[in-house]
Amino acid sequence: QVQLQESGPRLVKPSETLSLTCDVSGGAITNYYWAWIRQTAGKGLEWIGRISSRGTTNYSPSLKGRLSMSVDTSKNQFSLNLTSVTAADTAVYFCARAGYYYDTSGSFLYDTWGQGTLVSVSS
Amino acid sequence: DVVLTQSPLSLPVTLGQPASISCRSNQSLIYSDGNTFLNWVHQRPGHSPRRLIYKVSYRDSGVPDRFSGTGSGTDFTLKISRVEAEDIGMYYCMQGTHGGWTFGQGTKVEIK
Repeated sequence: QVQLQESGPRLVKPSETLSLTCDVSGGAITNYYWAWIRQTAGKGLEWIGRISSRGTTNYSPSLKGRLSMSVDTSKNQFSLNLTSVTAADTAVYFCARAGYYYDTSGSFLYDTWGQGTLVSVSS
Repeated sequence: DVVLTQSPLSLPVTLGQPASISCRSNQSLIYSDGNTFLNWVHQRPGHSPRRLIYKVSYRDSGVPDRFSGTGSGTDFTLKISRVEAEDIGMYYCMQGTHGGWTFGQGTKVEIK
């Protein structure tokens, strides 16, 4: 059964870049889509974006200018970079599986989530 | 933008009694291929969300059959036939029919 684990700095300074990685274990990263979601007390759950194992990305319009995602299939991991962060980017960040190329049933859409990691933006 | 509105936002329930959560969209969630990409997830305090239902009514493996999802178009409902103690927490609907995914505000289920 696939498992996801987020990792990265827990504290980021304002105006700097937030970088997180999600390790995929117990299953393949190829031929799937992978997503990042964040959760704040004020705004609830917010979809950040997704990346395919081939590197195709879809980003939230509200974050698009500051966001980039990448995937490294050799390491079975995908990553998130969010630039110019402010206190508003303080949140618990989750990675999740967001679909399978060859599936039309929908059964792989957000079926698996990481445990989440709290990232605080503060000087 | 697609907005999902859940109600109620707080749901005190009695153990063994039914519970129902509504999720309404400001746009139809029927995709061009006929699918409706509406999921329900459950989040216990201190845990990550767990998907219960996908595409409106398909229950995930391991999810008790007391959970059911119904609805179409813009109106969707998650029902718990008999609430158990482990069912407490937040419930969110989420849609992926239109572009990126969006979430409802969440419904907090607690035991009376």
